Amino acid sequence: QQQVKQSPQSLIVQKGGISIINCAYENTAFDYFPWYQQFPGKGPALLIAIRPDVSEKKEGRFTISFNKSAKQFSLHIMDSQPGDSATYFCAASPSNAGGTSYGKLTFGQGTILTVHP
Amino acid sequence: DTAVSQTPKYLVTQMGNDKSIKCEQNLGHDTMYWYKQDSKKFLKIMFSYNNKELIINETVPNRFSPKSPDKAHLNLHINSLELGDSAVYFCASSHLLTGDEQYFGPGTRLTVT
Repeated sequence: QQQVKQSPQSLIVQKGGISIINCAYENTAFDYFPWYQQFPGKGPALLIAIRPDVSEKKEGRFTISFNKSAKQFSLHIMDSQPGDSATYFCAASPSNAGGTSYGKLTFGQGTILTVHP
Repeated sequence: DTAVSQTPKYLVTQMGNDKSIKCEQNLGHDTMYWYKQDSKKFLKIMFSYNNKELIINETVPNRFSPKSPDKAHLNLHINSLELGDSAVYFCASSHLLTGDEQYFGPGTRLTVT
């Protein structure tokens, strides 16, 4: 059972454009939603994360939008650059507070982003 | 200074062999994980250890056995390797109770022929 569904599978954007990747989840116990960035031959690295107490979080050119009622969240990359070309994964887990989730991340299928110069 | 390191980076072996992958973290974290990334890049958690104690075991075949000699190391031993075990294996670490961010190692690409 795929608990976190990610789309699109691949995305091509021109330099300076906006990249948007969407995720939907099923488990209402999820309350931590990170995005990871992975370059070829490297391990995933945390890009930005959000908790459901806010509907949006922005860090530089990267913004997460969160819709709790729809159980959806998305990553927006503004002014996309060729250096942003990578695979992006959304993920979700129940809260780590109190250790109840033990850090069990469920990942989406990944989106390969290509930014053309 | 490498935060999470894995050895080897590449591992090519034949079906039926036994192999191990080693992981070390120098971040002072108390929790370590093993993930499997398949050919379609799908990432799935396999195991999690907190202070040398197994806390997550995600229905992984018992041919896979994690071992944590101390909280800075988590090794993965695989017996009787099968073609379907070919994948990239990532180690990660985090603070269990004080932080959610997981730091990933560079991965070990296992190819079973």
